[in-house]
Amino acid sequence: DVKVTQSSRYLVKRTGEKVFLECVQDMDHENMFWYRQDPGLGLRLIYFSYDVKMKEKGDIPEGYSVSREKKERFSLILESASTNQTSMYLCASSYDRGFSQPQHFGDGTRLSIL
Amino acid sequence: RKEVEQDPGPFNVPEGATVAFNCTYSNSASQSFFWYRQDCRKEPKLLMSVYSSGNEDGRFTAQLNRASQYISLLIRDSKLSDSATYLCVVNWGYKLSFGAGTTVTVRA
Repeated sequence: DVKVTQSSRYLVKRTGEKVFLECVQDMDHENMFWYRQDPGLGLRLIYFSYDVKMKEKGDIPEGYSVSREKKERFSLILESASTNQTSMYLCASSYDRGFSQPQHFGDGTRLSIL
Repeated sequence: RKEVEQDPGPFNVPEGATVAFNCTYSNSASQSFFWYRQDCRKEPKLLMSVYSSGNEDGRFTAQLNRASQYISLLIRDSKLSDSATYLCVVNWGYKLSFGAGTTVTVRA
């Protein structure tokens, strides 16, 4: 079974802090993704990566950056946290370079920015 | 127009009933289609992929209609454990687009 592990289930931070969310997958997947999920809006793609050191913007990259130094690890960084970044963050990975395979999700991180 | 649209429900059905719902997508170049299940405050989990000819997995049947750009999910003999939000997911290129979900509640 694919295992995608996110570093924290719940996180509380203050406005202006730099926040790091970590994600690790154990299936040697090529692709990794970061989403946020908000009520009524569904999942929205923040960034994705199809290879080490490669990153691409998703639909809502503003205020975020990412890092993929190793194939199994994909980090999401909130450069200066703001209250509108309070959300559920989900990391996912998939195998196929053609992106036709389903994605497998981590447990999610519920982030609150005060 | 949203890329993927779903009826949010909720669909409230008794145990043993059949429930079905659709999802429409806007991009005719979409390549892959999936249904995910999401329980309250949990991560989405893949329920099934949707193939052009339609496919079944136990009590679940998925259909794809490319001409009308929708996919459907039918659940037969509903169980209490089927209560969840069902997410329609459509892919083209790198992009997976998620519907906001259809909530199904199965009551005893």
